[in-house]
Amino acid sequence: DAGVTQSPTHLIKTRGQQVTLRCSPKSGHDTVSWYQQALGQGPQFIFQYYEEEERQRGNFPDRFSGHQFPNYSSELNVNALLLGDSALYLCASSLGGPNTEAFFGQGTRLTVV
Amino acid sequence: GQNIDQPTEMTATEGAIVQINCTYQTSGFNGLFWYQQHAGEAPTFLSYNVLDGLEEKGRFSSFLSRSKGYSYLLLKELQMKDSASYLCAVYSGGYQKVTFGIGTKLQVIP
Repeated sequence: DAGVTQSPTHLIKTRGQQVTLRCSPKSGHDTVSWYQQALGQGPQFIFQYYEEEERQRGNFPDRFSGHQFPNYSSELNVNALLLGDSALYLCASSLGGPNTEAFFGQGTRLTVV
Repeated sequence: GQNIDQPTEMTATEGAIVQINCTYQTSGFNGLFWYQQHAGEAPTFLSYNVLDGLEEKGRFSSFLSRSKGYSYLLLKELQMKDSASYLCAVYSGGYQKVTFGIGTKLQVIP
């Protein structure tokens, strides 16, 4: 059983460009959450998708958007990249419910130059 | 808003016991997670506390006091591989919104 898989693992983009990151949840999971983790910091919640809809959002600008597909996989899109967007982007999947364990993918390391 | 505090760094000796504290202020508290994160890797789940008291899992235990907004992670019989960051995370509100602390970087020395 594959766990949470993210692609790509590493990415270098130029300021002002757009990027799409992908996540496949653990088998049987229907909820995907995205986090941004800057170096030396804890993960910061970006948003969460359930049943193809965004149902929770953290304090991130509209440049950050996402999508969830019928197979529960998800994409994170970031427009107009800034140098400060350089971080590890983590995807976590879980089974919808109030107290279920979230499983994290290995993350995508995004560097904006 | 959410506020989670934990020490940024700790050092402990192999074979010893270490306690990592976490205090939080949040509305709509549902539960508290502890995650372990080795450098360059994804966080891995350690524990989840909903009710007050101590939860034990092998060498790892986690304690929660909801009235005090306080939790700790206790690691016994420390091993070198326990060197990692330990993230305290609070689940609050609906729909599993999880807020992480900055993480405590634990260094285990011989």
